[in-house]
Amino acid sequence: QQPVQSPQAVILREGEDAVINCSSSKALYSVHWYRQKHGEAPVFLMILLKGGEQKGHDKISASFNEKKQQSSLYLTASQLSYSGTYFCGTERGGNEKLTFGTGTRLTIIP
Amino acid sequence: GAVVSQHPSRVICKSGTSVKIECRSLDFQATTMFWYRQFPKQSLMLMATSNEGSKATYEQGVEKDKFLINHASLTLSTLTVTSAHPEDSSFYICSASGAGYGYTFGSGTRLTVV
Repeated sequence: QQPVQSPQAVILREGEDAVINCSSSKALYSVHWYRQKHGEAPVFLMILLKGGEQKGHDKISASFNEKKQQSSLYLTASQLSYSGTYFCGTERGGNEKLTFGTGTRLTIIP
Repeated sequence: GAVVSQHPSRVICKSGTSVKIECRSLDFQATTMFWYRQFPKQSLMLMATSNEGSKATYEQGVEKDKFLINHASLTLSTLTVTSAHPEDSSFYICSASGAGYGYTFGSGTRLTVV
């Protein structure tokens, strides 16, 4: 079953913050986050393993609550280059298939 | 870092013909390869999973006789769309997984069937 992301779409002004949520109905082993620009393949952002860890680099970070089967991606001080569609990918076991979420379209305007 | 090469990047074919898409892991051994399909403004949907030397496992609703997957070596997997029709037009993306390398995606193939 496909993970559900919220919001479906969001428009921000440059410099504003955003939170994208990913929710699964099944227990998860890991959550992956990707950003996809139009017409291109997804670009890997980060992976979070079960254990409730939080990760981040630069102004993008994420958390994973395995008990709630949810993950959130945090974008702070957004830049124009952050525009794109964000997908979470969930894994139920190690080295198993990745199931992608419904996607969140993020538009950053000057 | 791990690199996956996917070819061709774009292909236009006539209805009824077959198209082959290649996915190669350049610097690691891909024990498992995944094929995804993405329609405009939609998410990536897994079509099939293939392990080197064995038959691919197809997701529910994916016709295995139409989408032929071969994973003959640890660095190469191919997807052949047989008797393509306009409704097969889509963005096809492969992903390779190997020990310690997680999931690495190819650059995708835009298939247009006319």
